Formats: sequence, structure tokens, C-alpha cells
Amino acid sequence: QQQVKQSPQSLIVQKGGISIINCAYENTAFDYFPWYQQFPGKGPALLIAIRPDVSEKKEGRFTISFNKSAKQFSLHIMDSQPGDSATYFCAASIGNFGNEKLTFGTGTRLTIIP
Amino acid sequence: KAGVTQTPRYLIKTRGQQVTLSCSPISGHRSVSWYQQTPGQGLQFLFEYFSETQRNKGNFPGRFSGRQFSNSRSEMNVSTLELGDSALYLCASNPTSTSYEQYFGPGTRLTVT
Repeated sequence: QQQVKQSPQSLIVQKGGISIINCAYENTAFDYFPWYQQFPGKGPALLIAIRPDVSEKKEGRFTISFNKSAKQFSLHIMDSQPGDSATYFCAASIGNFGNEKLTFGTGTRLTIIP
Repeated sequence: KAGVTQTPRYLIKTRGQQVTLSCSPISGHRSVSWYQQTPGQGLQFLFEYFSETQRNKGNFPGRFSGRQFSNSRSEMNVSTLELGDSALYLCASNPTSTSYEQYFGPGTRLTVT
């Protein structure tokens, strides 16, 4: 049972454009939603995270939009740069101490072309 | 602060052997989780340790086990290796009780031949 569905599988965006990656979850107990960025040969790096009490969180060029009623959340990368080319994973956890295990989406390979 | 470190970075083993991987969390982090990453199954949770006790466990067979030491360092062991165990094994540390953020190490690339 895939509890976090991520799309698209791959994405090509021109430099300066907006990259959008979407995720949907099933478990309504999920309460913490991080995004990770992974470069080849590296471990995932925490990019930005949100709790459901806010609908949007912005950090620099990265924004999470959250729709609790639709059980969906998305990552927007503004002014995308070639250095943003990586694989992005959304994740979810129940968000209480003692139960922080992450359920990951399947990943989106993002390529930014000049 | 130094990040999460994992050793070894690369490992080649033969089917039927066993392997032990090591993880040192960020200083002060008491929770250590292990994940398996494969192209087919993606990132899957193996188990989590806190204060030397396994607190959560994923859906993996008993061949996969782990432990945590009093200094929060953790090891995971896979016995009777199968070809399908070839994967990147990632360790993540979390301060717990103050933050839900998990920080990953670079992983150990295990190849089973």
C-alpha cells in the first residue's frame, strides 16, 4: 500500500522557470510533511517541511503548499537553476515524538536545462 | 556540528554472507533510523532506535536487525544476504523530543553478488 503518492516521476524545466512537484497522502494521521533533495551518491538532505496548521511555507526559492482537505501537498521551486537538478522526495510522518518514521514518495527526478 | 557518518561507504558481499553497517549520529541526537533505498522500492523504513531500544520497526524480514549503543551510535546487521538486499542503506539521526527533523548520512552502498 503506497501511502504517499508522488508525481511526476521526472520533470524537465527551463532555467528560471517554476518547478512543481505534487504529493498526495492517504493516512490522515500524518502530521508532518518534509521534502528532501538528493544528489547522486549522496544521502537525502532536508529541504523544507510543513505541519498541517499552515497552508503554505516559504524558504528562499522553495515553497510548500498544503491542502489538508484534499490530502495533498506540493513543492514549488521558483527561478529554477541548474544546481537544483536532483531527485526530490516528499515524505510524511505521524509527527509525534516517538513515532517519527518517514513514509516516502517515489521521487521526482528534476532536470533544469539552460 | 559534524553530520551523520556511515561506514563503510561501499561494500561487496557474496550471497549467504552477513554484513554489519555502522552509523554515527549528529552529536546530541538520540534517535537513529535506518532506511533502505532501491530503484524498485524507493526509500523504505527499516527500524528506529532510541536510548538503545528499538522503538519502531518496518516490514522487513528478521534477517535485518540492529542495535544502538550508549553513545547513540548504531549498527545494522543483515544475515544470510540475498541478491535483493543490494541497496543503499541510509542512516538518519533525529534529536527527538525537540524536533521531527531527520538528517541523513551519505549511506552505505551494499552490493550482493
